[in-house]
Amino acid sequence: EIVLTQSPGTLSLSPGERATLSCRASQSVSNSYLAWYQQKPGQAPRLLIYASTGRATGIPDRFSGSRSGADFALTISRLEPEDFAIYFCQHYRSSPPVYTFGQGTKLEFK
Amino acid sequence: EVQLVQSGAEVKKPGESLKISCKTSGYTFTYNWIAWVRQMPGKGLEWMGIVHPDDSETRYSPSFQGQVTISADKSTNTAYLQWSSLKASDTATYFCARVVSGMDVWGQGTNVTVSS
Repeated sequence: EIVLTQSPGTLSLSPGERATLSCRASQSVSNSYLAWYQQKPGQAPRLLIYASTGRATGIPDRFSGSRSGADFALTISRLEPEDFAIYFCQHYRSSPPVYTFGQGTKLEFK
Repeated sequence: EVQLVQSGAEVKKPGESLKISCKTSGYTFTYNWIAWVRQMPGKGLEWMGIVHPDDSETRYSPSFQGQVTISADKSTNTAYLQWSSLKASDTATYFCARVVSGMDVWGQGTNVTVSS
């Protein structure tokens, strides 16, 4: 079973700064995919990135995903006030189906 | 517009049964899997299982196998999550989501409180 470890647990930044969130898989994910979600208090998660680097419909281009082996990153190039939220990564595979989430990174105002 | 609208909040006692719903619209229901995700208070997201509405094939996370039942009714474009005997530890918010390259559209969530 793949375990996803997100770091840092909390990231304190200011609007206009660049944010880099990390997600590390415990084993190879070569035949599966990684997604990133944003969740604000009291709301459902929102898909940001799919298949490691694909931007979901309607997501601003300041959000980008990257991959290096078992290490994945979500980068927000210039933080807007509405970007302060919790971010989850998710490993997903269709056969057999598995949709494992990381524990989340809280992006908070500095 | 693709929408998933979930049933309202529930307050139940331990041992009671419950079935919550996720009504979809704006796309062909039978084309895509629907997933259920649990979020316990103040915690992260946990995948529970998925159902394919076309043939009602279901797959469960090992953590939830035998604990819940997931189903779908293609005549009403609705997916369901049910419990036969709730426990206090089932207190959480439950989300449904359409599975397309990850989970691209989510319901608003259903809060379930189990307390004696």
